[in-house]
Amino acid sequence: DSGVTQTPKHLITATGQRVTLRCSPRSGDLSVYWYQQSLDQGLQFLIQYYNGEERAKGNILERFSAQQFPDLHSELNLSSLELGDSALYFCASSVSLVSYNEQFFGPGTRLTVL
Amino acid sequence: GQSLEQPSEVTAVEGAIVQINCTYQTSGFYGLSWYQQHDGGAPTFLSYNALDGLEETGRFSSFLSRSDSYGYLLLQELQMKDSASYFCAVRDEGGNKLVFGAGTILRVKS
Repeated sequence: DSGVTQTPKHLITATGQRVTLRCSPRSGDLSVYWYQQSLDQGLQFLIQYYNGEERAKGNILERFSAQQFPDLHSELNLSSLELGDSALYFCASSVSLVSYNEQFFGPGTRLTVL
Repeated sequence: GQSLEQPSEVTAVEGAIVQINCTYQTSGFYGLSWYQQHDGGAPTFLSYNALDGLEETGRFSSFLSRSDSYGYLLLQELQMKDSASYFCAVRDEGGNKLVFGAGTILRVKS
């Protein structure tokens, strides 16, 4: 158990819908990262927040957005869902802004878009 | 940008030693990490090399050669539970995000 929690574990929804994925980092970790893992794309970095502020952006679609709240939990919002958004979404956390070694990953949310 | 290459699959027998290679191309280098992921599970950190040489952690070792832009993960005394995907990863120039290789599926046979 990494100490990072994610809810829900599974999510099934329809095209065009909007969903929110939630992540609570390890106690004391200020950085939260979101990754998408699909069969054909591997693990792709989406976005990083550090102590409430967005600090790095990857290949995140405009339909996707995220935020980190004062209690440091983070939410990833996915809207106008398409079939291709079906994937595992992982949240990871680390203590510092620049993680030179370990990121701790949560168990993931499996999103299925029908 | 960054890109990493690793073999897609490796098969080995229980008790053997296996080496998973990773070559990378980066505009700046801030260390090479290795993660393990069992099917459907979360990636878990295995090792990190910032400097050349071998880092050993139990049955797992990781090696880095910065001049060759190359690293490898060495798994000794293979066990069935080592069957998993193994990813190498590098940091981007800002150090904030990890760029992962496509992963190597390790199959351990009895």
